[in-house]
Amino acid sequence: DVKVTQSSRYLVKRTGEKVFLECVQDMDHENMFWYRQDPGLGLRLIYFSYDVKMKEKGDIPEGYSVSREKKERFSLILESASTNQTSMYLCASSFLGGREAFFGQGTRLTVV
Amino acid sequence: DQQVKQNSPSLSVQEGRISILNCDYTNSMFDYFLWYKKYPAEGPTFLISISSIKDKNEDGRFTVFLNKSAKHLSLHIVPSQPGDSAVYFCAASASDMRFGAGTRLTVKP
Repeated sequence: DVKVTQSSRYLVKRTGEKVFLECVQDMDHENMFWYRQDPGLGLRLIYFSYDVKMKEKGDIPEGYSVSREKKERFSLILESASTNQTSMYLCASSFLGGREAFFGQGTRLTVV
Repeated sequence: DQQVKQNSPSLSVQEGRISILNCDYTNSMFDYFLWYKKYPAEGPTFLISISSIKDKNEDGRFTVFLNKSAKHLSLHIVPSQPGDSAVYFCAASASDMRFGAGTRLTVKP
């Protein structure tokens, strides 16, 4: 079974903090993705990566950065958390050229 | 600008009847389309997909139809069951994957 694991289910952070969201997959997938889910907006792509140290911006990269130092791990970084980054964050992975993405359980981040 | 659109935020059907969820896309580079199902506090799970070279794909009670000329796809669930109640996301893939806003399906007993 494919497993995509996000380090936290729930996080509460203060405005201005630097926040790290971690994601690990165990299926040797090349592609990894970070989305955020907001009511009425669905899942919006923040960043994706198709290889170690490679990254591509999605639709809403502002205020975020990512790191992929190892194939199995993809980190999302909020440089200076703001209240409008309160959201559900979802990590996913897939094979290069593969089409089905597998999702983690999500991290509910609240910025106060 | 959203490249994948689900214009119905919610749908309610009776158990045993057909559920039809719709999705439109704008980017003609998309060549693979997927439907995901999501329960609260869980990640989306893959349901069914279709390649752009096909116009129909069936898997049990679930059928996805693709109309490339109209840039439209739909998911049919027959018969609908209460356990199908969830949020359904349409997704379209090229090098990455874009999602619609989701449709909340409620199947009433």
